Amino acid sequence: NAGVTQTPKFQVLKTGQSMTLQCAQDMNHNSMYWYRQDPGMGLRLIYYSASEGTTDKGEVPNGYNVSRLNKREFSLRLESAAPSQTSVYFCASSSNGDEQYFGPGTRLTVT
Amino acid sequence: GENVEQHPSTLSVQEGDSAVIKCTYSDSASNYFPWYKQELGKRPQLIIDIRSNVGEKKDQRIAVTLNKTAKHFSLHITETQPEDSAVYFCAARPNDYKLSFGAGTTVTVRA
Repeated sequence: NAGVTQTPKFQVLKTGQSMTLQCAQDMNHNSMYWYRQDPGMGLRLIYYSASEGTTDKGEVPNGYNVSRLNKREFSLRLESAAPSQTSVYFCASSSNGDEQYFGPGTRLTVT
Repeated sequence: GENVEQHPSTLSVQEGDSAVIKCTYSDSASNYFPWYKQELGKRPQLIIDIRSNVGEKKDQRIAVTLNKTAKHFSLHITETQPEDSAVYFCAARPNDYKLSFGAGTTVTVRA
């Protein structure tokens, strides 16, 4: 099993550009999450999907949209990137809301 | 929403000594408290967790304690080793799906 995979690993965008971060899990988990990690601020939840067909806002949803494409895949879209969105983005999944398994992360720089 | 505070932000210990990290939470409905370890450049991984109906849990050199009345929980690492050097995050779960994370503690074990 690959666990949780994310693409791309690195990305540089110019202000105003758009992009989609992809996440997939092969553990048949119901719940999936998107976090951003900034120095000194821990992991902050952007959006989550408790189960296929549902999505909800987390702590910092502004500037992002998500799609739960199917049970395996959960994508994060930046419609108009801003320098404040420079961060490391982690996707995670969980079967029952307990242990969350994280992907390897995407390092995004917006110039 | 849930607010988790974590102290200290950095901790340096001599190899073989103990390390203690403390977290407080605000939402009395929180019922699950995991700890994650993140090595440099890697993804966070669960190292131990505790539920609200348990006061203490041990796994080899690590232990977690929970005081529901005071709304705080702690991670204890005994006989620290160089491989314990990492960033540690506490978290609390206020509903069935979302985790709120602390800001993290950077632990350095000096040889």
